[in-house]
Amino acid sequence: AQSVAQPEDQVNVAEGNPLTVKCTYSVSGNPYLFWYVQYPNRGLQFLLKYITGDNLVKGSYGFEAEFNKSQTSFHLKKPSALVSDSALYFCAVSPLGSSNTGKLIFGQGTTLQVKP
Amino acid sequence: DAGITQSPRHKVTETGTPVTLRCHQTENHRYMYWYRQDPGHGLRLIHYSYGVKDTDKGEVSDGYSVSRSKTEDFLLTLESATSSQTSVYFCAISQNPPTYYNEQFFGPGTRLTVL
Repeated sequence: AQSVAQPEDQVNVAEGNPLTVKCTYSVSGNPYLFWYVQYPNRGLQFLLKYITGDNLVKGSYGFEAEFNKSQTSFHLKKPSALVSDSALYFCAVSPLGSSNTGKLIFGQGTTLQVKP
Repeated sequence: DAGITQSPRHKVTETGTPVTLRCHQTENHRYMYWYRQDPGHGLRLIHYSYGVKDTDKGEVSDGYSVSRSKTEDFLLTLESATSSQTSVYFCAISQNPPTYYNEQFFGPGTRLTVL
């Protein structure tokens, strides 16, 4: 079955330190990969996506993500965390071959807590 | 929130009553989606639409129906609400499906409580 896993329910980092939010996937073929962020009482906001090409993708708010095909991972990173980065982060995958469906498979989410 | 509104934003209802949630977009996007968000499950697709009157089921469609009579509106109906349908419901839109690279844009959500 196709799935996305975010192995950590919560990640705690100190402000100014680098952060990593982990995501691994299990889908057939080469998927398109996305990261979204959700602030309290808000909808999801798109951060970045990997389609093809360079394995390091840069997105909004200084975030980046590294695609690793051999490890089937797409970890979200930021060199220096801000308190305002505290939110719920979702990894999502769109499997190739699901044309005309638009289906996204989401991970269960990781809460990022950045402390001053 | 990318020209997407959801109504109502909050609703409390009783088991067995019908409930309709509305998603309205001003972006003229072709694809629209309904998700539910539950702790530990992330977001799960309920139904989606790829055009006016063109809809299909997602992974958790049982107990839900949808309709799309206009490009801008996508309705989600719970014919007879159950407590297991207590959740936060999100509408999303996409100009093309993600297989064509485009990300989805999400509405603010509707918090539904079924007593």
